[in-house]
Amino acid sequence: QVTLKESGPGILQPSQTLSLTCTFSGFSLSTYGMGVDWIRQPSGKGLEWLANIWWDDDKYYNPSLKNRLTISKDTSNNQAFLKITNVDTADTATYYCARTTVVTPFDYWGQGVMVTVSS
Amino acid sequence: QITLTQQAESLWISPGERVSITCRASQSLLYTDGKHYLSWYQQRPGQTTKALIYHASVRTDGVPTRFIGSGSGTEFTLSIEHVQPEDFAIYYCLQTLKSPLTFGSGTKLEIK
Repeated sequence: QVTLKESGPGILQPSQTLSLTCTFSGFSLSTYGMGVDWIRQPSGKGLEWLANIWWDDDKYYNPSLKNRLTISKDTSNNQAFLKITNVDTADTATYYCARTTVVTPFDYWGQGVMVTVSS
Repeated sequence: QITLTQQAESLWISPGERVSITCRASQSLLYTDGKHYLSWYQQRPGQTTKALIYHASVRTDGVPTRFIGSGSGTEFTLSIEHVQPEDFAIYYCLQTLKSPLTFGSGTKLEIK
């Protein structure tokens, strides 16, 4: 059974760095074809893809966030991470991680974690 | 980047009816392998987002057969036959042909 769970700081101030963790089970990020994506959704709005990381450590980022994103993984502990630097109020959203495979994109999602950026 | 347009923000239907949700891409989502890189997702309050369809028409494991994906090129449709009460939700399309991956703006299915 595949499950994913996001965790994060809840609230942080503008200009800080947001660190998010996705802890998953039921698959391994060292297995061929597996990946984890990060997606966010401001309250009442649509979905925005942020980044993904693959089993072979290939990484892709949404250029709209320029160089603020860093994605990484810890295969031993079944975790994936996302850092967003220099946050501002526009980064307030629910952040999701999702498993993806080379065949089935975003086939399992976490419940999401709410992040508020406020001074 | 590829833009996905879901024209209908909301659709009002009665349980038991059939409904179609459309998604239009700014360029063809057909890859050289013959597959269309378009998928569909369902969001319901209090539930994890659910994958319904990938490659435009392939149902994800466990998805009921009343969910049907169709289309090609730039025009795609998610149809739901005999809509059930649990199908009232928001539906998003997603393209995975080119990075950055992009979602449609979503279509909310509401009870008439």
